[in-house]
Amino acid sequence: GAGVSQSPSNKVTEKGKDVELRCDPISGHTALYWYRQSLGQGLEFLIYFQGNSAPDKSGLPSDRFSAERTGGSVSTLTIQRTQQEDSAVYLCASRRDRGGSYEQYFGPGTRLTVT
Amino acid sequence: TQLLEQSPQFLSIQEGENLTVYCNSSSVFSSLQWYRQEPGEGPVLLVTVVTGGEVKKLKRLTFQFGDARKDSSLHITAAQPGDTGLYLCAGAASNYQLIWGAGTKLIIKP
Repeated sequence: GAGVSQSPSNKVTEKGKDVELRCDPISGHTALYWYRQSLGQGLEFLIYFQGNSAPDKSGLPSDRFSAERTGGSVSTLTIQRTQQEDSAVYLCASRRDRGGSYEQYFGPGTRLTVT
Repeated sequence: TQLLEQSPQFLSIQEGENLTVYCNSSSVFSSLQWYRQEPGEGPVLLVTVVTGGEVKKLKRLTFQFGDARKDSSLHITAAQPGDTGLYLCAGAASNYQLIWGAGTKLIIKP
């Protein structure tokens, strides 16, 4: 089937506005991760969903950031009152929960620019 | 806190040269993964190493996991422009989380 998809691919918003980023994981993958990546840098973990368990929110940088996952599939990352420092690429990854595999499959990311 | 230090951060070499990227930690990992990321795309898994001392080869790429499972290296032989990208190592932590290195930006000049 299709890989992980994310939308929009690019988002330009004004400081103070709210934004929603969407992730469609690979069908059948029960785990979903959100990361943030600044230009050419490594990945900063934001939040992790695993099945019906409570999400691991330990990486969210502030209470302006939230995420939900509906029906164990699609996930939305919401950033309220965006700031310029929120500008980055937001990556979503999913993982098939089988055999102890840690392999994550990534979407192409959403490039967020806050002006 | 588990950390992975990746070096070098940036490497620019001529086509045909060899190179090695290192990933080091003071922590033990049950497994370690290497990903490659090209501009505008998400990272793609290259390999997972699990056993201490393990060596895996993927064409011109050789991956090694240290005996103590605290470090890993990626060696590229006769680099080609198509090898250009951001290389990321990631160690398996608890609860299916990955501890990520900061990445090595590799440029291969023709």
